[in-house]
Amino acid sequence: DTEVTQTPKHLVMGMTNKKSLKCEQHMGHRAMYWYKQKAKKPPELMFVYSYEKLSINESVPSRFSPECPNSSLLNLHLHALQPEDSALYLCASSLLPTGNTEAFFGQGTRLTVV
Amino acid sequence: LAKTTQPISMDSYEGQEVNITCSHNNIATNDYITWYQQFPSQGPRFIIQGYKTKVTNEVASLFIPADRKSSTLSLPRVSLSDTAVYYCLVGDRGGSTLGRLYFGRGTQLTVWP
Repeated sequence: DTEVTQTPKHLVMGMTNKKSLKCEQHMGHRAMYWYKQKAKKPPELMFVYSYEKLSINESVPSRFSPECPNSSLLNLHLHALQPEDSALYLCASSLLPTGNTEAFFGQGTRLTVV
Repeated sequence: LAKTTQPISMDSYEGQEVNITCSHNNIATNDYITWYQQFPSQGPRFIIQGYKTKVTNEVASLFIPADRKSSTLSLPRVSLSDTAVYYCLVGDRGGSTLGRLYFGRGTQLTVWP
């Protein structure tokens, strides 16, 4: 199993809603990542979890709250988002939390904030 | 943090070989060079990774000169399905337990019939 599974694939939410994005991998990877990608732009790193601990937060607004319940799961809790937060949210995992290992990406969640 | 520079776009025709060059002048000693491919509305997909000289797999080759300040991804005999954005990344270790994967602007490759 070399898949990273993200749910839901599409999400529309209002600015006052609370929602969560989910990511799952069963490859035994110890690093997991959240990226945000706007149209025709490269993915932007948001968070890195290393051995289930948050190791990198790229100055992401607090309306995005990551959570790593166990080594296979990664969540991104969303609250009070703005329309400009609409984007493709990508989850990735790698065996080790270094920049020298192959990362596997999910298909992403297309988020629209209305 | 090693920064990468790639051409914004390239065009090719089916059956041709395509070479995409990436500059990474401040690459660190321990950094590897990795290339990803991304189709619209999908997550990036690993293509190839290397440290020095030449690496080849079933889909591509990666050429890295001795000074490692650049690298070239070579795609043999491209097809229409190779139309995608290609990203060159240089691994930033950031310490023994920290890892960052930063994407540069990428190269939009368009293959024409």
